[in-house]
Amino acid sequence: EAGVAQSPRYKIIEKRQSVAFWCNPISGHATLYWYQQILGQGPKLLIQFQNNGVVDDSQLPKDRFSAERLKGVDSTLKIQPAKLEDSAVYLCASSLVRGGNEQFFGPGTRLTVL
Amino acid sequence: GENVEQHPSTLSVQEGDSAVIKCTYSDSASNYFPWYKQELGKRPQLIIDIRSNVGEKKDQRIAVTLNKTAKHFSLHITETQPEDSAVYFCAALFGGNEKLTFGTGTRLTIIP
Repeated sequence: EAGVAQSPRYKIIEKRQSVAFWCNPISGHATLYWYQQILGQGPKLLIQFQNNGVVDDSQLPKDRFSAERLKGVDSTLKIQPAKLEDSAVYLCASSLVRGGNEQFFGPGTRLTVL
Repeated sequence: GENVEQHPSTLSVQEGDSAVIKCTYSDSASNYFPWYKQELGKRPQLIIDIRSNVGEKKDQRIAVTLNKTAKHFSLHITETQPEDSAVYFCAALFGGNEKLTFGTGTRLTIIP
């Protein structure tokens, strides 16, 4: 089966600019996650979708980050405006259902904010 | 709150020896504990997981033990090989909102 796809793989922007990331989960996976992984740290959950509804976005900086999952398949994560501390790898993951099920990660998007 | 602590942050072992990584978690209601391996520049990949109704699980050279009373779980890798070199993350699923919280990672280096 095809894995989780993400694009772009790399992005360099200047602070205060906007950026968007795209994720296509594994076919049939109802749950989609966006994680932020800062260098040297573990992934931190930003937002979790169940189909097209938000389950948890408690750690999403809503003043600058937004995400949507229209039609319950693909998802986009946007940062506007970006700050230097947003430099990180943004990982998308999906799982068949919520809870104790394996999460499959995409290759990630490495964002550098100058 | 939801917290997972992981030790050590770095670990070097001779090829063929065993490696042990330990994690503790804060929420006694957690019931799912996966371990992920992340090679440099790659995505995290699940290597083994355990649920709260069992105390130990093995898969070839990898094993995980869980002590729910003490709220800690450990990854054991035996007969280590160079390809085991990577960063390993533990995680715990916190029951309230079924959110996976990751530890800070252990960089394992296997010395040939």
